[in-house]
Amino acid sequence: DAKTTQPNSMESNEEEPVHLPCNHSTISGTDYIHWYRQLPSQGPEYVIHGLTSNVNNRMASLAIAEDRKSSTLILHRATLRDAAVYYCILRDLYNQGGKLIFGQGTELSVKP
Amino acid sequence: DGGITQSPKYLFRKEGQNVTLSCEQNLNHDAMYWYRQDPGQGLRLIYYSQIVNDFQKGDIAEGYSVSREKKESFPLTVTSAQKNPTAFYLCASSIWGDSTGELFFGEGSRLTVL
Repeated sequence: DAKTTQPNSMESNEEEPVHLPCNHSTISGTDYIHWYRQLPSQGPEYVIHGLTSNVNNRMASLAIAEDRKSSTLILHRATLRDAAVYYCILRDLYNQGGKLIFGQGTELSVKP
Repeated sequence: DGGITQSPKYLFRKEGQNVTLSCEQNLNHDAMYWYRQDPGQGLRLIYYSQIVNDFQKGDIAEGYSVSREKKESFPLTVTSAQKNPTAFYLCASSIWGDSTGELFFGEGSRLTVL
């Protein structure tokens, strides 16, 4: 399975936008890019996913590079509740096993 | 409300004892999964199940066992053969065959072996 690389930690100020980068240089044509986040002592929750085009939902936006070797999760206005570990994961279209490979993720801290 | 329920939330056991963690879902999902998380680390897949009475090993299945007798339930037993069982255990479910769909996670069970 292709792997992803994320910074270990990032800081943001409340109500400012946050851009969380992810590198996936070995991505294959059938890999979807998924983002999950995990609040302290809780299970991860789905944030967003995409294949080629940029995606928006109520939680965030996902910007995907034209060559698909990197992507950026965008939180438009960070709140204190957005402080979490964010995981960027590749999921093969043909991966029927749900085998999500979680790296260490990026720990986002938000300052008031 | 639909979701995944894990119990117990915290569990303490003596070394050498088997422990069973419960996972129940009412989302009508075919697929269920167990992950293990160690402090400061990502999640690692222990076992997953596509349908009732069928399950597959994940990356770290040694020392663990599962059963899937009902669609709603996927209990995990941490056996005495698991050398380092203290960890945070997470159960998840999803629609089977939808690789673009999301996994829904429970709130986790934190096991401490004394």
